[in-house]
Amino acid sequence: DAGVIQSPRHEVTEMGQEVTLRCKPISGHDYLFWYRQTMMRGLELLIYFNNNVPIDDSGMPEDRFSAKMPNASFSTLKIQPSEPRDSAVYFCASSFRRQPQHFGDGTRLSIL
Amino acid sequence: AQSVTQLDSQVPVFEEAPVELRCNYSSSVSVYLFWYVQYPNQGLQLLLKYLSGSTLVKGINGFEAEFNKSQTSFHLRKPSVHISDTAEYFCAVSANDMRFGAGTRLTVKP
Repeated sequence: DAGVIQSPRHEVTEMGQEVTLRCKPISGHDYLFWYRQTMMRGLELLIYFNNNVPIDDSGMPEDRFSAKMPNASFSTLKIQPSEPRDSAVYFCASSFRRQPQHFGDGTRLSIL
Repeated sequence: AQSVTQLDSQVPVFEEAPVELRCNYSSSVSVYLFWYVQYPNQGLQLLLKYLSGSTLVKGINGFEAEFNKSQTSFHLRKPSVHISDTAEYFCAVSANDMRFGAGTRLTVKP
């Protein structure tokens, strides 16, 4: 069984550039979550979707962040323009209803 | 809304010693409870879950946790730890959505 697949695994870019992170959830899962993890703030929920519809985006830091889920098998998290303080590990997770979430291996983002 | 508190940010312990990682939660509705483990440079992996039934839950790698409704706790235990158990451990509660604790870094020393 393929797990949650995130790409890229690592991203290094310069301040001001647009960054797009991608996630393929597990087939059949109806919830998709985006998290950010830093040493200072720990694991933060940014946004989650149910059946491709955003349910709660209160964790999205500011308007520079946006997330979409055009279909059940794909989601993106976009940062435009990126800033050094956005450097973190970004995780995508999916679940079926209230069952445990399955996490991808994360994207390590560095903004120079 | 529910919340989770992990009472210890760091727990150092010697190899083969027992360990308990503490987790308390608050919620006005019934909850599901989970423990996850995160090894360096990896995502979170489910250790165990409590959905209903027996309050003592056994998970992978010899870990277990006990759901205590009156004390709103879900502490994680292992009778004898190994060096390979060194990792970050997260408690999580699911009611309307999933909330994670801040994590406990378990360091097992030889």
